[in-house]
Amino acid sequence: EPEVTQTPSHQVTQMGQEVILRCVPISNHLYFYWYRQILGQKVEFLVSFYNNEISEKSEIFDDQFSVERPDGSNFTLKIRSTKLEDSAMYFCASSEYPGGYEQFFGPGTRLTVL
Amino acid sequence: RKEVEQDPGPFNVPEGATVAFNCTYSNSASQSFFWYRQDCRKEPKLLMSVYSSGNEDGRFTAQLNRASQYISLLIRDSKLSDSATYLCVVNVPNFGNEKLTFGTGTRLTIIP
Repeated sequence: EPEVTQTPSHQVTQMGQEVILRCVPISNHLYFYWYRQILGQKVEFLVSFYNNEISEKSEIFDDQFSVERPDGSNFTLKIRSTKLEDSAMYFCASSEYPGGYEQFFGPGTRLTVL
Repeated sequence: RKEVEQDPGPFNVPEGATVAFNCTYSNSASQSFFWYRQDCRKEPKLLMSVYSSGNEDGRFTAQLNRASQYISLLIRDSKLSDSATYLCVVNVPNFGNEKLTFGTGTRLTIIP
């Protein structure tokens, strides 16, 4: 069964450093998403991406964040200057159709900012 | 009112019992509804979509009441492997851009 993959599974970084989280969505999916989950809290939407453009972003997704689809398979989330409060689990998701259809999640990257 | 509200639990239920979870949502324009399950420190996994007519998948039954903005999930003959957090998830349409909004989840533990 096709699945979303994410690398790395765990990233530790110093405050102020840049990190890039990588995702490979399911191959025939066209809509891509990033969510985050701070430990003990709910899953929160960050950004949606379609046709090489951001479709929607939340208030969390400020100028420190960016997304890119550098080639036909990868989808990346970059945090330019990490803060302590960026420590969370970051999930990539993809869907075949827009948000009204099921989204399938990758296993996540646990980001720890020290 | 929270966008998606769930009883956080925990629900501690003996194996074989039936358990029901409820969820309410605030945006009457919401179009799509889902139940996901999440195991500890893992990704949310789609359990089932929720349709207006109600739908069943094996031991799981989901119901939607649009008038009351209420979604439910019923698990029959619960198994130890059903222990997880159950997430009520609602799609909020926004001029063609859509995102999933998650509830905080209801934690279920099945006791042998």
